[in-house]
Amino acid sequence: AQKVTQAQTEISVVEKEDVTLDCVYETRDTTYYLFWYKQPPSGELVFLIRRNSFDEQNEISGRYSWNFQKSTSSFNFTITASQVVDSAVYFCALSGGNNAGNMLTFGGGTRLMVKP
Amino acid sequence: ETGVTQSPTHLIKTRGQQVTLRCSSQSGHNTVSWYQQALGQGPQFIFQYYREEENGRGNFPPRFSGLQFPNYSSELNVNALELDDSALYLCASSRKLAGGVDTQYFGPGTRLTVL
Repeated sequence: AQKVTQAQTEISVVEKEDVTLDCVYETRDTTYYLFWYKQPPSGELVFLIRRNSFDEQNEISGRYSWNFQKSTSSFNFTITASQVVDSAVYFCALSGGNNAGNMLTFGGGTRLMVKP
Repeated sequence: ETGVTQSPTHLIKTRGQQVTLRCSSQSGHNTVSWYQQALGQGPQFIFQYYREEENGRGNFPPRFSGLQFPNYSSELNVNALELDDSALYLCASSRKLAGGVDTQYFGPGTRLTVL
């Protein structure tokens, strides 16, 4: 069975602070894929990043960066110099390479509130 | 915007009724997945359709059923609605890859309220 845990249910920061959202996963698949999605108040899930299990390179995209560590089964997401527009619920998700349907297993989400 | 559309945006039904939700996939995508998101929780996988057939199912009862059409659009049908079916229903489209997993792109969702 696959499982994704986002231990931080809610984080509140002041604009321009850096913030890290934690994600820990469990899977028995040898090949798997990790994702981060953003869900603003409108409700639509917006794709942010995808990482394959065989690629442990960290990635930076503007103010966003991701730290993938297979040894600790973690895929953490850092926002540098946060902005009010970053306020949303962020979901980490896992898809196993071998499961039928390639379903996404989501964590419970972390609500990020960035105050001006 | 992803190009994935869903209708209707909101829906109110009473317990015991039936409902049909619709989804149009992004151009070039041949696979549609449906998820249920209860308030304050992460989305839960309902099922996926590829080539008009169910291609994987989550832990949902048979009263949740679906269809995929030749143009890759899809419907989610829920019979005998229960109060716990109140949720945001999300549709996601992707491509079926020979070896690997494609990214799923989500629509805006349908908010279903069961009274």
